Amino acid sequence: DAGVIQSPRHEVTEMGQEVTLRCKPISGHDYLFWYRQTMMRGLELLIYFNNNVPIDDSGMPEDRFSAKMPNASFSTLKIQPSEPRDSAVYFCASSLSSDTQYFGPGTRLTVL
Amino acid sequence: QKEVEQNSGPLSVPEGAIASLNCTYSDRGSQSFFWYRQYSGKSPELIMSIYSNGDKEDGRFTAQLNKASQYVSLLIRDSQPSDSATYLCAVNTFGSSASKIIFGSGTRLSIRP
Repeated sequence: DAGVIQSPRHEVTEMGQEVTLRCKPISGHDYLFWYRQTMMRGLELLIYFNNNVPIDDSGMPEDRFSAKMPNASFSTLKIQPSEPRDSAVYFCASSLSSDTQYFGPGTRLTVL
Repeated sequence: QKEVEQNSGPLSVPEGAIASLNCTYSDRGSQSFFWYRQYSGKSPELIMSIYSNGDKEDGRFTAQLNKASQYVSLLIRDSQPSDSATYLCAVNTFGSSASKIIFGSGTRLSIRP
């Protein structure tokens, strides 16, 4: 299995631009998670889906962030408009249950 | 109070010694506990999970759980330089609508030759 796939691996953009991060979970996994990691705040859960349905989005920082999962093999996390404080590494993870999670390689986002 | 607390370190341990990493959590209803290892610039990878009180051993790693004290630890025997990484404790906790995994901020471990 290829594991969790994320794209792009690096993204540099200017403040105000729209950013879209993509994730392909491990085939057969029915849970998908989006995390953000910074030195200051550590690893934070933003949102998670079960069978393509958002279950808990209480970690989404504000309305500028949105996430979708149109089918079992694809999810996006969108930031519009982006701000410098959004600079972080964004991880996608998937699991067969809500417990043991397998992480993708992450997307390093820099907003100038 | 944070839901999952770890000492940020760095914890420096000589090669060959036992490294002991600790974690406390606040939700008494938590049932699942995990240790992830994260190398610099890489993603977290699961190394141990534990669900029952007591010890669970896997190779050089031992996870210990004490639900009464809300405490989980990870022991690494015969520490190797390749064990140098940040170790994240994760606990499932129950919110108002669903359970979710909460991560601690991690302990940075350095194994010195």
